[in-house]
Amino acid sequence: DAKTTQPPSMDCAEGRAANLPCNHSTISGNEYVYWYRQIHSQGPQYIIHGLKNNETNEMASLIITEDRKSSTLILPHATLRDTAVYYCIVRVANDYKLSFGAGTTVTVRA
Amino acid sequence: NAGVTQTPKFQVLKTGQSMTLQCAQDMNHEYMSWYRQDPGMGLRLIHYSVGAGITDQGEVPNGYNVSRSTTEDFPLRLLSAAPSQTSVYFCASSYRLGQTNTGELFFGEGSRLTVL
Repeated sequence: DAKTTQPPSMDCAEGRAANLPCNHSTISGNEYVYWYRQIHSQGPQYIIHGLKNNETNEMASLIITEDRKSSTLILPHATLRDTAVYYCIVRVANDYKLSFGAGTTVTVRA
Repeated sequence: NAGVTQTPKFQVLKTGQSMTLQCAQDMNHEYMSWYRQDPGMGLRLIHYSVGAGITDQGEVPNGYNVSRSTTEDFPLRLLSAAPSQTSVYFCASSYRLGQTNTGELFFGEGSRLTVL
């Protein structure tokens, strides 16, 4: 059973913010929201994660709704190198395992 | 640090042949795992290990064996290769849960396997 729902694809203009939505309506209180991306055929790369508060790091911002049923990953100034598949993953706090869905293919256009 | 190193990067096998995909990490990670990724799909967990001497099955374990004799190495064995095992294989590792703030998985560059 898929724990997250993401749009299959989206386009973004270079230099603009990219807002990637994710629905996780069945998330439990001990589950985190993780985001990874996979550029071309490389191994996935960690971006950011959060539990209930909004988070920001050097790569992106993560906005989690108050009811925790959805979240948005924000790439503030998208570049061509941000073209990738982005995965939203719900992970139990005490579990190493990550379950990857199909993700969102983001294409940044010049 | 070399990170997570996978070998070989490319391999072509004939049906029925056996082989081992190697994975090594130099970060003293407790957790190691193998995923496969078929074209246009997400990654699926094959096997994982939470420490030396401990292994467990993931989502798609059939046709694969693993062992974890050291902290650094986690080889994946294909016992009798089948065309359905044509895929890209990724090894990933992480620190012990709670040891870092992120709990992120570090991935290797992948091993591309074709079974004819």
